[in-house]
Amino acid sequence: GQQVMQIPQYQHVQEGEDFTTYCNSSTTLSNIQWYKQRPGGHPVFLIQLVKSGEVKKQKRLTFQFGEAKKNSSLHITATQTTDVGTYFCAFDRGSTLGRLYFGRGTQLTVWP
Amino acid sequence: GAGVSQTPSNKVTEKGKYVELRCDPISGHTALYWYRQSLGQGPEFLIYFQGTGAADDSGLPNDRFFAVRPEGSVSTLKIQRTERGDSAVYLCASSIQGQGYEQYFGPGTRLTVT
Repeated sequence: GQQVMQIPQYQHVQEGEDFTTYCNSSTTLSNIQWYKQRPGGHPVFLIQLVKSGEVKKQKRLTFQFGEAKKNSSLHITATQTTDVGTYFCAFDRGSTLGRLYFGRGTQLTVWP
Repeated sequence: GAGVSQTPSNKVTEKGKYVELRCDPISGHTALYWYRQSLGQGPEFLIYFQGTGAADDSGLPNDRFFAVRPEGSVSTLKIQRTERGDSAVYLCASSIQGQGYEQYFGPGTRLTVT
C-alpha cells in the first residue's frame, strides 16, 4: 500500500549545526503533515503542506513539499538542544476521513 | 485549555486478560482516532470515530480489539484476551473535524502484557 520512507532514521548533530530529514513517497500525496515527538512524549503537530512546491517557515524550521507532491523535507537551521526528538511525516489519502499514515521518523540527537 | 487526556498512563496485565483504555478528547472535537506505537516506529492507525460512529475501523488488527464512543466524546478501546504482542503505547488523538485537520495527541497509555 501507499507509504512514506523517511531518511535518515537517526541523525546526531552538534548544537548549532543544521539538520534535514526527508520524506519520500512512490505515489502522489494529497497533503503532508509533520509531527515532533520528544523522548517519552507524544506526537505534536508542527505543520501541514498541501500545495505543490509549497514552502513554509516556522522560525528556524523550514518545510517543503515537492513539486510532484511525492516528497517533503524539514530543515532546521542552527539546531538547539530543545530540537531533540523524533520527527515524523504523515499523510492522509484525502478520501479516508483523516486516517494518518506515519513514516518511521527521524530521531534527532543534539550534542551541546 | 485542556488537551487530550488518556487513562491509565500505564497498564500492566497478564496474558489473556481484558483491558480497557480510556480517551477524553478536546471538547468540541468531533473526530477521534486511536493509534498504536511500538518502539522505534511511527504511530499505526487503529480506528477513527466521527461523532459516535466508527467511520473507519480498518486498522484494528483482529476481533480482540474493539472501541466505542457512545456519546460522541469519551472513547474506550477494549482489548480481549490480551497477548504479549499487544504491548505498545496506545495513543488517542482528536481533531476538530476529520480529513485535513491537525490531530492533537494525548500522552498515551503504555500497555505491557506479561
